[in-house]
Amino acid sequence: GQNIDQPTEMTATEGAIVQINCTYQTSGFNGLFWYQQHAGEAPTFLSYNVLDGLEEKGRFSSFLSRSKGYSYLLLKELQMKDSASYLCAVSPDSWGKLQFGAGTQVVVTP
Amino acid sequence: DAGVTQSPTHLIKTRGQQVTLRCSPKSGHDTVSWYQQALGQGPQFIFQYYEEEERQRGNFPDRFSGHQFPNYSSELNVNALLLGDSALYLCASSLVDRGETQYFGPGTRLLVL
Repeated sequence: GQNIDQPTEMTATEGAIVQINCTYQTSGFNGLFWYQQHAGEAPTFLSYNVLDGLEEKGRFSSFLSRSKGYSYLLLKELQMKDSASYLCAVSPDSWGKLQFGAGTQVVVTP
Repeated sequence: DAGVTQSPTHLIKTRGQQVTLRCSPKSGHDTVSWYQQALGQGPQFIFQYYEEEERQRGNFPDRFSGHQFPNYSSELNVNALLLGDSALYLCASSLVDRGETQYFGPGTRLLVL
């Protein structure tokens, strides 16, 4: 089967760090994406990993291990505006179709 | 540089009706994908269009159909609407075989009563 699993919800304090894990089993692999989605809005692109390792982009970092079918998104120096759903998605081929997990709702508290 | 646009933003229909949603891709993009996102779930892939042909299709019934025009814009049609079709419908555009270039539009929220 094809599965993309991520935790349903995580809560963290403003200024803290949160790590969102994602495990996947798909028929093929052509990259892993992380998107941020605020309620009622479209997903916005955060990161793309196709090779193993860590990609850092400001307060956000994403890690990929293809052999383990595992990725994480690290959010540092959390701000209230980071409260949103974070979607892990895998592209199984080069054509662009994305398979999404159900999303992780991150709640940032003061 | 205009991003992906979708119309309408919101729509209310009743069971059994038909609906057409529209999408204009980001300038320079030639591939359009459609996704359905139910409340509290991740987006589910419906289908993808390139060169006016359906290139890939997800696990959706034939009630869901689409079209791509020569200017790369696209339509999603849903016939015989069911209550379960209520969702946010997202359009994403990209360059062919460059899935990492995918950008999402703001979506159309469909409510079926």
